[in-house]
Amino acid sequence: QKEVEQNSGPLSVPEGAIASLNCTYSDRGSQSFFWYRQYSGKSPELIMFIYSNGDKEDGRFTAQLNKASQYVSLLIRDSQPSDSATYLCAVKMDSSYKLIFGSGTRLLVRP
Amino acid sequence: KAGVTQTPRYLIKTRGQQVTLSCSPISGHRSVSWYQQTPGQGLQFLFEYFSETQRNKGNFPGRFSGRQFSNSRSEMNVSTLELGDSALYLCASSLTSSGETQYFGPGTRLLVL
Repeated sequence: QKEVEQNSGPLSVPEGAIASLNCTYSDRGSQSFFWYRQYSGKSPELIMFIYSNGDKEDGRFTAQLNKASQYVSLLIRDSQPSDSATYLCAVKMDSSYKLIFGSGTRLLVRP
Repeated sequence: KAGVTQTPRYLIKTRGQQVTLSCSPISGHRSVSWYQQTPGQGLQFLFEYFSETQRNKGNFPGRFSGRQFSNSRSEMNVSTLELGDSALYLCASSLTSSGETQYFGPGTRLLVL
């Protein structure tokens, strides 16, 4: 079992819709959770981080964390074609200095 | 504030050669992490440095090494290059000693022929 799992996609949504990206992790001691966006040929760009159970909103983005279910998600409201990218979920394990990344979900927003 | 910078941006080497990649973190950031990204394996952690000390190392062979200088700049070295070392090498810096909230540089794309 991979430490951080994501559906590789592609997840295709129409412009203006809500895109829902999901991530599960295996280590219950994980403390910090991150979402990065990576455009083709570019480096990952931090979108959001979340530490506590519940929702965290930043503009059109909402991160949701459920530690009991070991599940973290990213919602993108009013999706735009410019949101088309690969979204990487990253988890910081307890007492570790490294981030473990999922393989990423490719999002395609259709005009 | 300037972001993370990496040099060179592109590199072509042949098998058996060695290569050194450089990373300058965001000003004030003291933690530097290195990752390898390939289409097949995704983003994999190489090592992390803080205050010139390696605190964590990923599951890579000893051909991969790194170091950090007193100004927090970091270098990684790969010796005896193999075709499978072709990848995007990413450096990420963070402010806190815990290494959280990492910000990535543009990466160095290495091609081994």
